Amino acid sequence: EVHLLESGGGLVQPGGSLRLSCAASGFTFSTYDMTWVRQAPGKGLEWVSSISGVSTISGSAGRTYYADSMKGRFTISRDNSKNTLYLQMNSLRAEDTAVYYCAKVRSVPSTTFYFDYWGQGTLVTVSS
Amino acid sequence: QTVVTQEPSFSVSPGGTVTLTCGLSSGSVSTFYYPSWYQQTPGQAPRTLIYSTNTRSSGVPGRFSGSILGDRAALTITGAQADDESHYYCVLYMGSGIVLFGGGTKLTVL
Repeated sequence: EVHLLESGGGLVQPGGSLRLSCAASGFTFSTYDMTWVRQAPGKGLEWVSSISGVSTISGSAGRTYYADSMKGRFTISRDNSKNTLYLQMNSLRAEDTAVYYCAKVRSVPSTTFYFDYWGQGTLVTVSS
Repeated sequence: QTVVTQEPSFSVSPGGTVTLTCGLSSGSVSTFYYPSWYQQTPGQAPRTLIYSTNTRSSGVPGRFSGSILGDRAALTITGAQADDESHYYCVLYMGSGIVLFGGGTKLTVL
């Protein structure tokens, strides 16, 4: 059974930093793309960033993608030896206050792309 | 900047049929965007309903179906039930690793 467990959320001051983690189990973590999605209080879902898994074709891995508003401040990474996804968030702003979800991506080139499993989320509050 | 559009709210009577749509601020939605749909109730994580336009995720009841209607992706609920009252989000894959969420539709069943 696939399980995703986020951690690392909390209260941080504006301008501060935080690193979120997502511990994955129940699947071969290294071979799947992973993503972060956030949801501000009372608002909709917003894609934050994705990172590719190891390609069984090319062997490449770890390509990263970001929403424009997160570029330069957020860094996604993964440790396949620990089955863990990370999101390093710097220069945090009040508008970054949200529940941050990690999700497993089902991506097959020219065939499909969607989020098939979700964690329960971790709350990040940016406030002085 | 491209925006994915959804109806902010919709209502349906129990047992009724409702179609929620997902469009693009510029251009048409096609199967090449691999539209997917997610259901979310307050305080809960999203749940995957439909992917690749019209494929139901495991365990999703048959009353949920996806399609392309004209220039938009669509999620149809046939025979709505009270526990279908939720927010529904569409997602489009824009290519090159970029993903866009729609703003979501709040569905009321009454």
